[in-house]
Amino acid sequence: DAGVIQSPRHEVTEMGQEVTLRCKPISGHDYLFWYRQTMMRGLELLIYFNNNVPIDDSGMPEDRFSAKMPNASFSTLKIQPSEPRDSAVYFCASSSQGARGNTEAFFGQGTRLTVV
Amino acid sequence: GENVEQHPSTLSVQEGDSAVIKCTYSDSASNYFPWYKQELGKGPQLIIDIRSNVGEKKDQRIAVTLNKTAKHFSLHITETQPEDSAVYFCAASKGDYKLSFGAGTTVTVRA
Repeated sequence: DAGVIQSPRHEVTEMGQEVTLRCKPISGHDYLFWYRQTMMRGLELLIYFNNNVPIDDSGMPEDRFSAKMPNASFSTLKIQPSEPRDSAVYFCASSSQGARGNTEAFFGQGTRLTVV
Repeated sequence: GENVEQHPSTLSVQEGDSAVIKCTYSDSASNYFPWYKQELGKGPQLIIDIRSNVGEKKDQRIAVTLNKTAKHFSLHITETQPEDSAVYFCAASKGDYKLSFGAGTTVTVRA
């Protein structure tokens, strides 16, 4: 398997524009996570899905952020409108359900977002 | 929610020496404790994990210890090599698949 695939790798956009980040999880994984990484706040969980259903979106910072998972092989994280403080590296990760709960979360390479 | 604290934030060791990173967690219901390694420009990668029913786990040069009573766990890297230079993150979870990460430790192995 190619692992978790994210696109684009880098995104530079102007303040106020809509940004869409994309993720393809590992085939067969039923959990998908979106994380944001910044120097100030570290790795923060934004939202996660189980079997394409959002389970916990309490980490989503504002209504400007939304995430969807239309099928088991694709998810998007959208920011509309974007602001400079959204600049960060956004990671997608996936994992499968284990008999004893958590199993390894596999991370993608991340999308480095810069909002100017 | 779960609060994970990690120390030190930076660690410089001589090649061949050992490195130790310590983490504490706040939620006594947490039962899964993974450690991730992140290299520059890449996503975090699991290097070892431990569950609450085990006190210690070892994988070659890497070991993790867990003290549930004190709510702390540690990563030990022995015989460090230059390729061990990276940022290391501890995390904790209650088994609900949500991971709370520590702030990270930047490890530099000096040749």
